[in-house]
Amino acid sequence: GQQVMQIPQYQHVQEGEDFTTYCNSSTTLSNIQWYKQRPGGHPVFLIQLVKSGEVKKQKRLTFQFGEAKKNSSLHITATQTTDVGTYFCAGGASYNTDKLIFGTGTRLQVFP
Amino acid sequence: KAGVTQTPRYLIKTRGQQVTLSCSPISGHRSVSWYQQTPGQGLQFLFEYFSETQRNKGNFPGRFSGRQFSNSRSEMNVSTLELGDSALYLCASRQTGTNYGYTFGSGTRLTVV
Repeated sequence: GQQVMQIPQYQHVQEGEDFTTYCNSSTTLSNIQWYKQRPGGHPVFLIQLVKSGEVKKQKRLTFQFGEAKKNSSLHITATQTTDVGTYFCAGGASYNTDKLIFGTGTRLQVFP
Repeated sequence: KAGVTQTPRYLIKTRGQQVTLSCSPISGHRSVSWYQQTPGQGLQFLFEYFSETQRNKGNFPGRFSGRQFSNSRSEMNVSTLELGDSALYLCASRQTGTNYGYTFGSGTRLTVV
């Protein structure tokens, strides 16, 4: 079945450093969504990318969707302690856009 | 605007029992999905409902079932509970159309002893 992997699994950074998480799907995706889950919380929707090669920015966060629509990345510039949490990508299967398969997640820890 | 409401927040059951979890989506959201979250397996898709119909189903045994009512509220049921069913069960709803993300509830933490 469809699988979505993320790397790295964990990332510890010093506040002010940059952070990137990568998402790779075994199949072509119709769209990719990104979510953030704070410790003890629930996933919160960040953004959706639909077009091949699409790049979107939200303040210090930059999201990219690969040309082949099988991979994506999230880059955070100058991390802050408020960025702590687990970041999940979630892929919409090309044959059925209403079912999301979540990636394995990247847990980010930011040290002040 | 009220968020996605899940009840109960916490539940402790013994093996062999059954459990029903409830989810009230955001008003106007007709699509409701359920996910199981465990430390080892991450977020696993259970099923998705739209207008009282199950549109998608994940790879879970038949002990896991769900339904959606005409007001879009949804329930999921797990029968013959096993220790491995201990997890955070998350419900999420979204607006019709593919350009919207899911809004998750706070989840129900199920512990099977």
